[in-house]
Formats: sequence, structure tokens, C-alpha cells
Amino acid sequence: KAGVTQTPRYLIKTRGQQVTLSCSPISGHRSVSWYQQTPGQGLQFLFEYFSETQRNKGNFPGRFSGRQFSNSRSEMNVSTLELGDSALYLCASSVTSGQPLAQFFGPGTRLTVL
Amino acid sequence: DQQVKQNSPSLSVQEGRISILNCDYTNSMFDYFLWYKKYPAEGPTFLISISSIKDKNEDGRFTVFLNKSAKHLSLHIVPSQPGDTAVYFCAASLNAGNMLTFGGGTRLMVKP
Repeated sequence: KAGVTQTPRYLIKTRGQQVTLSCSPISGHRSVSWYQQTPGQGLQFLFEYFSETQRNKGNFPGRFSGRQFSNSRSEMNVSTLELGDSALYLCASSVTSGQPLAQFFGPGTRLTVL
Repeated sequence: DQQVKQNSPSLSVQEGRISILNCDYTNSMFDYFLWYKKYPAEGPTFLISISSIKDKNEDGRFTVFLNKSAKHLSLHIVPSQPGDTAVYFCAASLNAGNMLTFGGGTRLMVKP
């Protein structure tokens, strides 16, 4: 079974631009969660989507948004990029929501904002 | 407000010895605690978990202990192997939800 895939793996943007990251969950998984990892703040929860609906949202500004498609693939978008948005963005998938012990992480997308 | 903390950013251990990684939390409502291992350029990999109703869970070389009164958990790796060299994160879940609160991580180095 293929694991969680994230595209692109690396991305360089400049301040003020916007970016869209993609996550394809494991086949059969319907829940996708997004996390931001930075050296200063560690791993922080962004949001979770299940069956195309946002289930939970972390403490991030409205510039961070996401969505999920009917095939469970998810995208997250960051608008008006700031230098502090440079981070590793990870997504995790599970069969359903409410399965904290059965989440599988992708390799992440490394975003650099110049 | 950091609800989950790993106060040791790094730990170095000799191969064959025990590695003990610690984690403290502040929210007594957390009901599951998890440990993840992370290599560079890869996503975190689940290692072991413990429910808040238990005080110990063992899986091969890995044992997690939970002290609810102290709001403290620890991961023991015995014996430590060079392949265990990685960053270890503890995480907590509320109401068995998928939203995880992570600690800052501890970089473990196991020397041959």
C-alpha cells in the first residue's frame, strides 16, 4: 500500500506570494490533518479534514486555509506569505477521525519564504 | 502556552545502554499519549502509545511510563541501538481526536 504522499517536496517563494500544498492520503483513508514544523515552535496542528469537512482548526491566522476533495486528497493554501511561514508542512492521514493512534505522516513539504 | 514539553533538547547514549526520554504535560484532560520517531527529510513515524488509564505500555525494546499525578511520561529504549538515532517527539490527544499536541522533540544520539 502506498504511503501518504505530499507534493511538492520543496518549494521556494517570496514574501507576499501565495502557495498551495497537496497531500494524497493512504488509499481508504478519509481523514487528513496538517501540521507545521518550525525550529522555534515545533510541530503545530493546523487543521483536520474529514469527508470534505473541516473538523478541527489550530491557532493559525486566516491566511492558512485548506480543503479536501471527494477523493480525500487535501490541499492547504497560505496567502500573503511571510518569512515566518518558512517551515516543513506535514500531513497525516487516518481511516477516519478519532483515530489518534492510527495516523500516518507523509514526508512533508519544505517551504522556504525569501 | 506549551501544553506538552520535552525539556531535554538532546541526549547521547552508548549503544546497549538505556535511553530515557522525558515529557511533561499540563492538560489533565489528555487521554492518549504517543511517541513518534523522526528522521531528517521524513515524516514522524509512530512508535508507541499509552492510554491515560494505564501507567505502562511495552512493545519490544520500547516502554512508555505514565505518571498522571506528576503529569509526566517517559520513553525507555533498552537496549539502545545506533539505528535509534533520531528526533523523538511526544504527543498528546484530547478526546481521542486526531488533533495532536506535540512536544518540542529530543534529539537522541546512540553512539556505537
